Formats: sequence, structure tokens, C-alpha cells
Amino acid sequence: AQSVTQLDSHVSVSEGTPVLLRCNYSSSYSPSLFWYVQHPNKGLQLLLKYTSAATLVKGINGFEAEFKKSETSFHLTKPSAHMSDAAEYFCVVSTTNKFYFGSGTKLNVKP
Amino acid sequence: GAGVSQTPSNKVTEKGKYVELRCDPISGHTALYWYRQSLGQGPEFLIYFQGTGAADDSGLPNDRFFAVRPEGSVSTLKIQRTERGDSAVYLCASSISGRSGDTQYFGPGTRLTVL
Repeated sequence: AQSVTQLDSHVSVSEGTPVLLRCNYSSSYSPSLFWYVQHPNKGLQLLLKYTSAATLVKGINGFEAEFKKSETSFHLTKPSAHMSDAAEYFCVVSTTNKFYFGSGTKLNVKP
Repeated sequence: GAGVSQTPSNKVTEKGKYVELRCDPISGHTALYWYRQSLGQGPEFLIYFQGTGAADDSGLPNDRFFAVRPEGSVSTLKIQRTERGDSAVYLCASSISGRSGDTQYFGPGTRLTVL
């Protein structure tokens, strides 16, 4: 069985400071892992994905995530937050064709 | 190029009515998915099509929900005898082949409100 836990429902950072959004997963097999972002009234957009290649994955807009099998984690980071990063972020695990979404983390960026 | 499109963007209906939600996937994508996103939650899987056939409908909550994809492109999600609990955003996604690890591309969703 697959599941995803996003450890924080809300994260607030100041513009220019680092961002850390935490994700832990449970999977019976080697998973594919994704991070998607959802801006208000917009569709889900892929930020990055891991599919068993390099464990450090770089995505769009300066985001990256590291796959740690021993910790079953796939945390999303960004060195310096921008106001435009304010959105909801979803961690996703997949071992077949179905996606299992976490409950989301809302990122607030303060000026 | 064109992404996944969904119509209508908003649908308001009364309890007990029938509704149809349409999804137009990215051209050439053989796999199509429907998800439901309730307020404050992540999307939940409903059904997956590979071509014209429903390969996995394990997420459909009950027999009031049905989906078709007759020509392997456009799909319609049909909900009979709507209930207030069906109110949610219904998301459609497509991927090029449906293999594990394929990126799913999402449409903007249809917001369904059942009064």
C-alpha cells in the first residue's frame, strides 16, 4: 500500500529565507515521487519528480528535493523564497499508474 | 501546445440531479485519470483509462459515478442523483503512456457545487 504524509499543513517564511516542506511516504515497492504546486484557481503544476535515478532532484523555479530511502522522505527545499512561491504544495507517491497525494502544505511568504 | 482542458469550469446543481463533466486530454496521451479534491484535502484517485477502457475504477465511491472514454480521447465523468457530499473539484489528468513514473498533466478542474 502507498501513502504520503505531509508533516506541516502550513509553513510561513520571510521572502529571501530558505523553504523546507516535509514529506514522508510509505510504499511496498520502489516508488516514483513527485512534488506538484497549486496556485489559487490554477491547475496542478509539476515541480519535480524522482524515478530511481539521482537521489537529488532539481526542479523548476529553484526547487529541489532529496530522496532518502532510509528515512522514507522526499523533502522539498528552496534556498531563497520569493513572493510568487506562495501556493499549496502536494507530495505524491506512485508505484503503479495511480497517484497518491498528501494532504498538502500551504506556503505563505511574508515580505 | 494545448494542455488538459476541462468543461465546465464551474457547475452548480441541485441535489438529485444528473451532471456530466468533460475532460479533453493532451493529444496523443493514452492514459487519462480522474481525481476528486475536497476542500482542504489532496486529490483522491477515482478512475484510470488506458485507451478506451477503464483499467482501474477502484476509486469510484459508488455506482452513482460512471465515466466513459469512447474514442480514447475525450472523457466524460457522469454523476447520477447528486448529493451534497459530491461537492468538490473534479480534476482530470493525462499521461503519455500510463506507466509508473510517467508525469501526469492536470487540467484546471471543474468545481461542482450541489445545493
